[in-house]
Amino acid sequence: GQNIDQPTEMTATEGAIVQINCTYQTSGFNGLFWYQQHAGEAPTFLSYNVLDGLEEKGRFSSFLSRSKGYSYLLLKELQMKDSASYLCAVRDSNYQLIWGAGTKLIIKP
Amino acid sequence: DAMVIQNPRYQVTQFGKPVTLSCSQTLNHNVMYWYQQKSSQAPKLLFHYYDKDFNNEADTPDNFQSRRPNTSFCFLDIRSPGLGDAAMYLCATSTGTTGANVLTFGAGSRLTVL
Repeated sequence: GQNIDQPTEMTATEGAIVQINCTYQTSGFNGLFWYQQHAGEAPTFLSYNVLDGLEEKGRFSSFLSRSKGYSYLLLKELQMKDSASYLCAVRDSNYQLIWGAGTKLIIKP
Repeated sequence: DAMVIQNPRYQVTQFGKPVTLSCSQTLNHNVMYWYQQKSSQAPKLLFHYYDKDFNNEADTPDNFQSRRPNTSFCFLDIRSPGLGDAAMYLCATSTGTTGANVLTFGAGSRLTVL
């Protein structure tokens, strides 16, 4: 079966750096997405990786290693508004999106 | 602003009483999706339309139906809601279904079943 694994919950301090990991086992690979979802709201797109390496976008960066079936989302200079769930999703060989259950990130002052 | 709009944002219904949720988009995207999301779980795809082509996920219960009368609108009908259907229902759109096509989500419709 196809599977996306993410930690259920993480806690970090305002101003710090946090890394949220995602490992996947899917039938084929056609890209990996990270979405942010605040409680009770819709997911919003953060990043897309299809080639190995690091993609940087302001305070957020996303890394991909296809050989290891692994990605991480790095958040720098954490702000209270970054408290949210972070969803990892992979497009498989049939272009279906396989979603993880998300990592709830709690930011403390 | 181009966007995806869902109505109603909150819907309370009684067990077995039909419900219709609506989604409209001004993005002119070809693909529209309906997802069900329960608390702390991954979004679960119910259906998607590529233009008028309807794609039903194999494990979507018959209790759930969908209509897309035109490019801009899509509806989710729950014929006889059960307690297990209480969830957030998310509509999303994209230009295509391959590669880097990003999904744009509406704000969601939260369904409560009494």
